[in-house]
Formats: sequence, structure tokens, C-alpha cells
Amino acid sequence: GAVVSQHPSWVICKSGTSVKIECRSLDFQATTMFWYRQFPKQSLMLMATSNEGSKATYEQGVEKDKFLINHASLTLSTLTVTSAHPEDSSFYICSLASGGDTQYFGPGTRLTVL
Amino acid sequence: AQTVTQSQPEMSVQEAETVTLSCTYDTSESDYYLFWYKQPPSRQMILVIRQEAYKQQNATENRFSVNFQKAAKSFSLKISDSQLGDAAMYFCAHNTNAGKSTFGDGTTLTVKP
Repeated sequence: GAVVSQHPSWVICKSGTSVKIECRSLDFQATTMFWYRQFPKQSLMLMATSNEGSKATYEQGVEKDKFLINHASLTLSTLTVTSAHPEDSSFYICSLASGGDTQYFGPGTRLTVL
Repeated sequence: AQTVTQSQPEMSVQEAETVTLSCTYDTSESDYYLFWYKQPPSRQMILVIRQEAYKQQNATENRFSVNFQKAAKSFSLKISDSQLGDAAMYFCAHNTNAGKSTFGDGTTLTVKP
């Protein structure tokens, strides 16, 4: 199966700063990637669908100006949390899908906003 | 829209015994996929088992099997001969053909030695 990496694995930032999280597909060309958010001991909530070469599709209630997604190549999607605040502290997970029958998850990025 | 419901926030099982985790779902899709994922403390999502909705036969993977009742929209996971390493949070998920996933709230499984 595909190998998906995320960088960084853990980031701490000050309130008001922006943080970029990278999601890379190491051996699979992904036209579509997904970004999820997970609070402790809770479920994964889909934030947006990242489409290579076009604008991301955001789920209802997700601020597109706050969570900027760029999918510039078939192997890289980035999520930038702009003007981060403590309530943005969470675990962010990316994934790529090979159709509907298989999904490959990254190891996740833990964001802590002070 | 899709919804996935896991009614058991926590479950426990004795080592070597069998446990069943429940999952029900609702979907507007005619073709879809169902999954069970395991999330250990590392938080890496690990695929446990997958079921194509068009297949009537229940999927099995070694000690893991599902009871897929399409008409009832039920998709339970049975873990046989439970091992200490099975302790984790388990998520039931529904996938559309495009790969968009909807997850249940999860069940935390404890395995007692």
C-alpha cells in the first residue's frame, strides 16, 4: 500500500502565528487527499478534500480562510493554520484514497497553540 | 449524507476471549465501503478489516471478522482470541466511492490479562 508521511509530527506555536503541515505521498500519485481533525479521545472529523491543481473543498463549518490547503503536486498537500489560537490545538491527520476501497493515513501532526 | 454510530464508548474483554464491537450506519450511497480501523496510543490509523457493500459474504482477517447486515445497516466487528495488543480505540467508517470517509465516535477496547 501507499506510504504517507506528515511533517512535522508535533509543533508548538504561539497564538497568532501560522503553522504549515505537510502531507506527502511517498510512493503513490494522489489526485485527492483528505485532511481530518481529531480532538483527544474523539472521532476524526473531515475538514476538507484537497484536489491537485484546484481549490480544496471544505466541509460545512470549516473556515477556508483559516485552514488554507494547497495541493500543488501529486505527492504533496499542505495545510496551513493561519493566526492559530489555543482552540486550534488538535491532532491533524491527512489521508489519500485509492478509490473508495482503500485509504492510507499519515501518522498525524499534533498542534499545540500556546 | 452519511452517519456512523458506535453505541459502545468502552468495552473490555478478557485475554483469549471474544468481543464484538457494534456499528450502525446510514447512507444515501448505493455503492460504498465499510471499514474498521484501530488507533493505538501512537494515533496511527491502522486498517483492521474492509467490507465492500455489494458483497454479501462477511469479510474475515485472521482473528477479526465482521457481521455485515446490509438491510439493517449494521456492521459489527468480532475479535476472537483477544490479545493484549488488541487494546486500542476502534473506529467504524463508511467510505463513498470517491474515498470520502465518515467515522463513528469510536470504542475504546481494554484487554484484561
